[in-house]
Formats: sequence, C-alpha cells, structure tokens
Amino acid sequence: NAGVTQTPKFRVLKTGQSMTLLCAQDMNHEYMYWYRQDPGMGLRLIHYSVGEGTTAKGEVPDGYNVSRLKKQNFLLGLESAAPSQTSVYFCASTRQGNEQFFGPGTRLTVL
Amino acid sequence: EDQVTQSPEALRLQEGESSSLNCSYTVSGLRGLFWYRQDPGKGPEFLFTLYSAGEEKEKERLKATLTKKESFLHITAPKPEDSATYLCAVQAPSGNTPLVFGKGTRLSVIA
Repeated sequence: NAGVTQTPKFRVLKTGQSMTLLCAQDMNHEYMYWYRQDPGMGLRLIHYSVGEGTTAKGEVPDGYNVSRLKKQNFLLGLESAAPSQTSVYFCASTRQGNEQFFGPGTRLTVL
Repeated sequence: EDQVTQSPEALRLQEGESSSLNCSYTVSGLRGLFWYRQDPGKGPEFLFTLYSAGEEKEKERLKATLTKKESFLHITAPKPEDSATYLCAVQAPSGNTPLVFGKGTRLSVIA
C-alpha cells in the first residue's frame, strides 16, 4: 500500500495563477482532509470530506476550493493564488474516529 | 471552542535526560486524544490514541498518559533519533468532528 500520496511535492506560483493539488489514498478511507502548516501556527484545517461527493469547510477555507469526485481522491484548488497562501499543505485520511494518516506534503511558494 | 495548548514550544535535552511534554485541552466531551511525531520536511506520523482519563500507552521510549484536562508524553532516556516535533490533537464526540491540533513541541536531543 502506498498510503496517502500528494502531487506535486513542490510548486512555485506567481500571484494570480491557479493550481490544483492532488491527494490520493489507497486505504479505502471515508474521511479526507486538507491542512496547511505555517511556522508558529500549527496545522490548520482548510476543507474536509466525510465521503465521496461531500465536502465541508474547515478553519481557514477562504481562497480554496475542493472536490471529492472519487472516494480515493481529494483535490484542493487555488483559483487565484496569493502570497498569503505560501505554505506547506498536508492531506490526511481516516476511517471514522480513528487516527489520521498523513501524506508527505506539498511545499507551495506564491511570489 | 475546542482548544489544544502544548508546552513547552521547544525543549532541548541531553541524551539520556528524561522529560515530559504537556498537552492541555478544552473540548466539550472527548472522543480521543492523538499524539503524532513530525520530522522536518515530512508529514505527521501517528504515535498513540488515548480515549479516557487514566489510560496509558507506551512505545519504545515514549509513554502517553491522559487526565480529564491534559495529556503528557513522557520520554525516557531519549536518543538523538527522538528529535522531532511532537503534535497533540483532540477530537470531540461527534464522529464527523475533525481533529483540533496544538502547535507542537519541538524536541532536540543532543548526544
């Protein structure tokens, strides 16, 4: 099992550009999450999904959109990137009530 | 609002010098408290889940304990390879409630 994978690992964008981060899991987990991690701020939840076709807002959803068209995939979109979105993004998945499994992260820089 | 506070922010130990990390939490009911380890440039790695006050779990040099207000991660005779950031997270009783993470304790163990 690959666990949770994230694509890409690194990306540099210019302000106003758009991009999509892909998260994939092969553990048949119902729940998937997108976090951002910034120095001194810890892990903050952006959006999450409790099942295929469902999404919900987390603590810091503004400027991001998500889609969960397939159970194994959770996409995070930035429509118009801003320097404030420079961060490390982590995806995680879990079965209900159990520990979350995290991906290796995507390091995004917005110039 | 559910909150998690970890202390200290950073801890520097000599190899073999035992110590404890603290995780204080405020949550209306507790479904579970989770400890993770995060190495630089990687995603968090699951360590323990604690469900009720008085519960303890151990793994190698680490032991996690839980009371009604806080959890401790005890590190006995640490080695340099224990150097990492340790994250604590709580989950409220509802199965759909996402985890709330603390900001972590950055542990450095010096040989």
